[in-house]
Amino acid sequence: DGGITQSPKYLFRKEGQNVTLSCEQNLNHDAMYWYRQDPGQGLRLIYYSQIVNDFQKGDIAEGYSVSREKKESFPLTVTSAQKNPTAFYLCASSIGARIQETQYFGPGTRLLVL
Amino acid sequence: ELKVEQNPLFLSMQEGKNYTIYCNYSTTSDRLYWYRQDPGKSLESLFVLLSNGAVKQEGRLMASLDTKARLSTLHITAAVHDLSATYFCAVVLTETSGSRLTFGEGTQLTVNP
Repeated sequence: DGGITQSPKYLFRKEGQNVTLSCEQNLNHDAMYWYRQDPGQGLRLIYYSQIVNDFQKGDIAEGYSVSREKKESFPLTVTSAQKNPTAFYLCASSIGARIQETQYFGPGTRLLVL
Repeated sequence: ELKVEQNPLFLSMQEGKNYTIYCNYSTTSDRLYWYRQDPGKSLESLFVLLSNGAVKQEGRLMASLDTKARLSTLHITAAVHDLSATYFCAVVLTETSGSRLTFGEGTQLTVNP
């Protein structure tokens, strides 16, 4: 089946710890995105990538880092610099980013701080 | 900075009634999306509206776009309980580094028997 997978479904972070959220897609999409969703709110863009080895900051990139070494993978690291990381994290992909196509979303990862 | 505002943010309605959700945005864009999110779940694409005057319909939902007024509407006809969810509009912003979506805050719809 084609789609977007995210893991883990739930992730717990201790103070001062870096954690990495996985996002994989087998749709052969060029563009991938990371969003953060806080309770009762809309989605805010963290980072996005149009092609392999290239990515841009979104609106709330501070405290996060990404890499795009493979077309199908776009992992997000939540660093210790992110002081309020508790949220629902959604990964998305689209065919391309220059001419915006529909973004398809993964199932999400819920991050909680211990 | 592109701002996207939805109205209302919370909507409680009875089954069988009609209602409209509004999405206003602040800068020029010619492409707008509507998504649905069930509690604790991911987002599901409902409609993409590509040009001024575009209208799309699926079941009891109909979406329209007026790019001159910078306004999109999502009309619900004869609501049923299964439509209870949060609905987001998202507007395309094109930058030199590529295109990206800016989301509204979402409208939480509850359809009561």
